[in-house]
Amino acid sequence: QQQVKQSPQSLIVQKGGISIINCAYENTAFDYFPWYQQFPGKGPALLIAIRPDVSEKKEGRFTISFNKSAKQFSLHIMDSQPGDSATYFCAAPAANYGGATNKLIFGTGTLLAVQP
Amino acid sequence: GAGVSQTPSNKVTEKGKYVELRCDPISGHTALYWYRQSLGQGPEFLIYFQGTGAADDSGLPNDRFFAVRPEGSVSTLKIQRTERGDSAVYLCASSLRGWIAGGGNEQFFGPGTRLTVL
Repeated sequence: QQQVKQSPQSLIVQKGGISIINCAYENTAFDYFPWYQQFPGKGPALLIAIRPDVSEKKEGRFTISFNKSAKQFSLHIMDSQPGDSATYFCAAPAANYGGATNKLIFGTGTLLAVQP
Repeated sequence: GAGVSQTPSNKVTEKGKYVELRCDPISGHTALYWYRQSLGQGPEFLIYFQGTGAADDSGLPNDRFFAVRPEGSVSTLKIQRTERGDSAVYLCASSLRGWIAGGGNEQFFGPGTRLTVL
């Protein structure tokens, strides 16, 4: 079964520090890698996503880096804030073996705690 | 609407009962998805609709699970003969278009329905 491996499982960072979360994927139908942020009791919210034409994408304090040859991508949160404390999920499109599908395979999540 | 809405927010039922979970996607979004999220896990794909038709139902765990989207907007996930193992948060998402390569396919999630089977 296709998997997306996410690490670390949990992360504690001091306010103002850099949070780094890594994901590794197997085969995928298309190079599109979104990151979702989820607060307790809420649905996942799309945070940032990268497409195949770039190896890095930055939006504010959030940056995705993508290494196609290694089949890895990562999320960097600069100047981490207590309000960033949440669970973060990476995702990758399922491998498409001849059929059209738009399903995402999610990682197991990283619980981030930013200490003030 | 402004976002994806799901009703009910919580559902408690007894083992063996039938439940229906409803999803209202973002207006104008043609693609709709159902995922299931167990405690401490990432969302797990169940089914994907493009318009009225189920384009991919490979994630439905067994024939007790069924979903419909008769008019290409609202969708209902139906679970027959519920089991305790069905307890989870059921998430719905929608995207403007379907196929990932085409762009405009970012999936936006609703708040979920927490299903508890006693």
